[in-house]
Amino acid sequence: KAGVTQTPRYLIKTRGQQVTLSCSPISGHRSVSWYQQTPGQGLQFLFEYFSETQRNKGNFPGRFSGRQFSNSRSEMNVSTLELGDSALYLCASSLSGINTEAFFGQGTRLTVV
Amino acid sequence: AQTVTQSQPEMSVQEAETVTLSCTYDTSESDYYLFWYKQPPSRQMILVIRQEAYKQQNATENRFSVNFQKAAKSFSLKISDSQLGDAAMYFCAYINNNAGNMLTFGGGTRLMVKP
Repeated sequence: KAGVTQTPRYLIKTRGQQVTLSCSPISGHRSVSWYQQTPGQGLQFLFEYFSETQRNKGNFPGRFSGRQFSNSRSEMNVSTLELGDSALYLCASSLSGINTEAFFGQGTRLTVV
Repeated sequence: AQTVTQSQPEMSVQEAETVTLSCTYDTSESDYYLFWYKQPPSRQMILVIRQEAYKQQNATENRFSVNFQKAAKSFSLKISDSQLGDAAMYFCAYINNNAGNMLTFGGGTRLMVKP
């Protein structure tokens, strides 16, 4: 069974640009969550999508957005990149509810220069 | 808002010895789950163990066990017979029934295992 796949693994962008990250969950999983990991702020929840609907949202500016497709694949977009957006972005997939294990991908390392 | 605190930024343990990582949390919810995740240098978060708040019995997974003190809001992880492969960042995390799959993480503890 394939795990959670995040693409690309590494990304370098310039301030002001926008970026799109992709996450393919485990087959059959309908929930996809996104997290930002930085040395200073640690792991912070961005948003969760379930059956193509945003179910939860963390405390991030509107520059951070996401969506989920009918096949449960999810994308997150960051517009007008800032240096502080440099981070490891992790995606996690779950079957549905919270009493099921969250499986994480290996993350996308975004560097903004 | 829920918070999770890990007071030990770094810990070290001798191979084959036992180590305990600490975690405290704050919540007004009564129905929630607690987790310990391991993040090795490969960066992929791996679930080590989980505890349902309504269960009084402490969870155990092979060499990993927890000490869950609900009244004290404490959730420590004990690793027995430590192995070199246990070296990693360990994160304590919380989730409640009203928040979908939104995990709240602690700041992490870096565990070093000495041969």
